[in-house]
Amino acid sequence: NAGVTQTPKFQVLKTGQSMTLQCAQDMNHEYMSWYRQDPGMGLRLIHYSVGAGITDQGEVPNGYNVSRSTTEDFPLRLLSAAPSQTSVYFCASSYSRGTALHFGNGTRLTVT
Amino acid sequence: ILNVEQSPQSLHVQEGDSTNFTCSFPSSNFYALHWYRWETAKSPEALFVMTLNGDEKKKGRISATLNTKEGYSYLYIKGSQPEDSATYLCALNNNAGNMLTFGGGTRLMVKP
Repeated sequence: NAGVTQTPKFQVLKTGQSMTLQCAQDMNHEYMSWYRQDPGMGLRLIHYSVGAGITDQGEVPNGYNVSRSTTEDFPLRLLSAAPSQTSVYFCASSYSRGTALHFGNGTRLTVT
Repeated sequence: ILNVEQSPQSLHVQEGDSTNFTCSFPSSNFYALHWYRWETAKSPEALFVMTLNGDEKKKGRISATLNTKEGYSYLYIKGSQPEDSATYLCALNNNAGNMLTFGGGTRLMVKP
C-alpha cells in the first residue's frame, strides 16, 4: 500500500495563479482532510470530507476549494493564489471520523 | 474550534532521562484525544487515540493517560533515546468527530 500520496512536493506560484494540490489514498478510508502548517501556528484544518460527495469547511477555508468525487481522491484547489497561502500543506486520511490520521508527505507551496 | 494547549513548548533532556509533557483542554466535550509524533522532514505519525476518562495507552517506552474531568492528557517517555527527538502533537476531535484541532506541539531534543 502506498498510503497517502500527495503531489507535487514543491510548487512556486505567482500571485493570482491557480493550482490543484493532489491527494490520493489507497486504504479505503472514509475521512480525508487538508491541513496547512505555518511557523508558530501549528497544523490548521482547511477542509475535510467524511465520505465521497461530502465536504465541509475547517478552521481556515477561505481561498481554497475541495471536492470528493471518489473515496480515493481529495484535491485542494487554490483559485487565485495569494502570498498568505505560502505554507506547507498536508493531506491526511483516516478509517472513519475520530480515528488516527495517516498523513501524506506534504507539499511546500510558495506564492510570490 | 477547541482550544488545545501543550506545555512545555520545547524540552532538552539527556539520554536515559524519563520525561513527560502535558496537553490541556477546557472542556470534556470532545470525541477523542490524539497524540502524534513528528520527526523533522517527515510527516506526523499517530501514537495514540483515547476517548475515555482514565484511558491509558502504551507503545514501547511511550505511554499516555487521559483525564477528561480535569482536562488534561500526559505523554510519558521512559528512558529517552536520541531517536525520540521529535515534536509531539496533541489534538482533539470535536463532538461529531469530524474536526481535529491540534495544539502547538512540544519539541523534544534528547542529547546523547
